[in-house]
Formats: sequence, structure tokens, C-alpha cells
Amino acid sequence: SAVISQKPSRDICQRGTSLTIQCQVDSQVTMMFWYRQQPGQSLTLIATANQGSEATYESGFVIDKFPISRPNLTFSTLTVSNMSPEDSSIYLCSVEFGVGRTGANVLTFGAGSRLTVL
Amino acid sequence: ILNVEQSPQSLHVQEGDSTNFTCSFPSSNFYALHWYRWETAKSPEALFVMTLNGDEKKKGRISATLNTKEGYSYLYIKGSQPEDSATYLCAPWGGYQKVTFGIGTKLQVIP
Repeated sequence: SAVISQKPSRDICQRGTSLTIQCQVDSQVTMMFWYRQQPGQSLTLIATANQGSEATYESGFVIDKFPISRPNLTFSTLTVSNMSPEDSSIYLCSVEFGVGRTGANVLTFGAGSRLTVL
Repeated sequence: ILNVEQSPQSLHVQEGDSTNFTCSFPSSNFYALHWYRWETAKSPEALFVMTLNGDEKKKGRISATLNTKEGYSYLYIKGSQPEDSATYLCAPWGGYQKVTFGIGTKLQVIP
């Protein structure tokens, strides 16, 4: 399995500012996934980041609000832009590691970034 | 996006007791189901990947069963220990859709 380093682990931010979360994987992976868990909600996929192409966003998430970079096969960033209190969440990156069709392999997660927006 | 339900949403058990909880999902277009354990301040950790109807998986004191025809999976913990305290997430995959996570069952084991 992969090891993912994610930072920051937590932050308190002011409304209207932006914060960038970084994830570093110890091996090359094709796809990296960004998730969010709002308080009392389930873990929800924001977007899939592929190296060399634009990220694919899920319904309800847009690039202007959550720009993603994927400069190489081991690193990705997610920016939460123009933050409001509703963006207070835990953000996690993950990768799927293993052979076989997507879904047959477990996801490995970073430790998460807990954001509080005042 | 699949409609995934986990129950109960939280429970407290005494150390040594066995417990179980449920994940329900649409039975149509099923591909795989994952179970994860998420301890506070840590990463979600994979427990099982299950794909076949009737699958049973075991990891130490934790086991899981899968019924794809009726759309549910049970997770069992035998002889609960305080270190089992965590949120347990199920995540079914439907065909070519992305995984959908349930809200989780938060387990607290009381010493």
C-alpha cells in the first residue's frame, strides 16, 4: 500500500481567504482523489486528479472554488478558495493502490486536514 | 450517487461485548463494497473489500458478510476492546460510478 503525507493537519482560517492542502504519496499513482467530510455528513468525493490533465469534479463542486494541481505522479494540491464557514470540514486525499478494476482495490488516505473557517 | 444507509449511527458497548452494525445499499448495479475504520485524528484504514454475494471476510476479531441480492452488509466485532473505538464506514461501488460512503457507525467501547 501507499503512504500519504498530508498537510496542514489543521488550520483556522478567516472568511474570504484561501488555503492550499498538499498531499505527497511515496509511490507513483495515476489518480488521486480529494474528499470532504462536513460535520455530521458522509465522506464526499470532490474531484479526481489525474497527472497531465484537468481534474474531474463531482456534481456540486467547481474548479473555481476547489482548484486542484497535479504536477507529477506523486503530488497534488487542493485549494479551498474564498472560504466561508460552510467550508469548515475535514479534507482528505486518497489513492487507490493495487491491480484490477477501479473499486476492487482499497483506498489509502492521508491523515486529513481539519479546517475551521471563522 | 448510491443511497447508502448505515445503522446505528452511534453505539456504546462494554468492553468484552460483541456487537454488529449494518450497511444497506441498492442491490442493482453492485460492483464492490469496502469497509473502513476511522479513528479520531488518524487516516481511514481499510478493513475489507467484498465483491461476491455471500462473501465473508475476517480480520482478527472483526468480520463482515455481504448480501448483494438484498443489498446489505454486516460488520461484526467479537469481544470489543477500547481500541476498537472508531467510526466504521461502508462504501459501496456501483458499476462505473465513484464510491459512495455511508455516514458511518461511531462505536465507543467502554472499559
